[in-house]
Amino acid sequence: GQQVMQIPQYQHVQEGEDFTTYCNSSTTLSNIQWYKQRPGGHPVFLIQLVKSGEVKKQKRLTFQFGEAKKNSSLHITATQTTDVGTYFCAGPRRGATNKLIFGTGTLLAVQP
Amino acid sequence: DADVTQTPRNRITKTGKRIMLECSQTKGHDRMYWYRQDPGLGLRLIYYSFDVKDINKGEISDGYSVSRQAQAKFSLSLESAIPNQTALYFCATSEIASDTQYFGPGTRLTVL
Repeated sequence: GQQVMQIPQYQHVQEGEDFTTYCNSSTTLSNIQWYKQRPGGHPVFLIQLVKSGEVKKQKRLTFQFGEAKKNSSLHITATQTTDVGTYFCAGPRRGATNKLIFGTGTLLAVQP
Repeated sequence: DADVTQTPRNRITKTGKRIMLECSQTKGHDRMYWYRQDPGLGLRLIYYSFDVKDINKGEISDGYSVSRQAQAKFSLSLESAIPNQTALYFCATSEIASDTQYFGPGTRLTVL
């Protein structure tokens, strides 16, 4: 069946270091979304990428959508303690509209 | 997102008990979803509803049922709770024309 995997599952960094999480889909996606879940919180939408090879930036966060539209990455430059949380990618379920399949998530811990 | 509320926020129950989790939204969205979150497994879709008369099973619907009482209300029931239904449950909504989902604060359910 359709799968969306993320690596790494967990990463611990020192504040100021960079961080990258990778998202890989078993199928081509029409778009990819990224969500952030703070500890004890709920997933919150960050961004959506639609075009092949698209790159979008939000301050220190850089999101990329692969050329084949099967993978994506989120890169955080100079992490801060406020970046702590789990980052999920999500894409439309194959053959369905308005249904998402979520990646397994990457938990980021930032040590001050 | 304060526009999507869930009750209760925490619940401890015993095996065999019937439990209802409720979700309300003021976003005016037609589409509503129930997910469960388990460590390392991401978010898995239980049920979803695209309007009041529409109910659909997700990937893990066994042991669960839902009711869409109104556009703004979508409840999840566990007819006879079992320990492996211990998890964090999220309700989410989306607009017809968008894949972006808006999550409630979650309900932490423990089945003893």
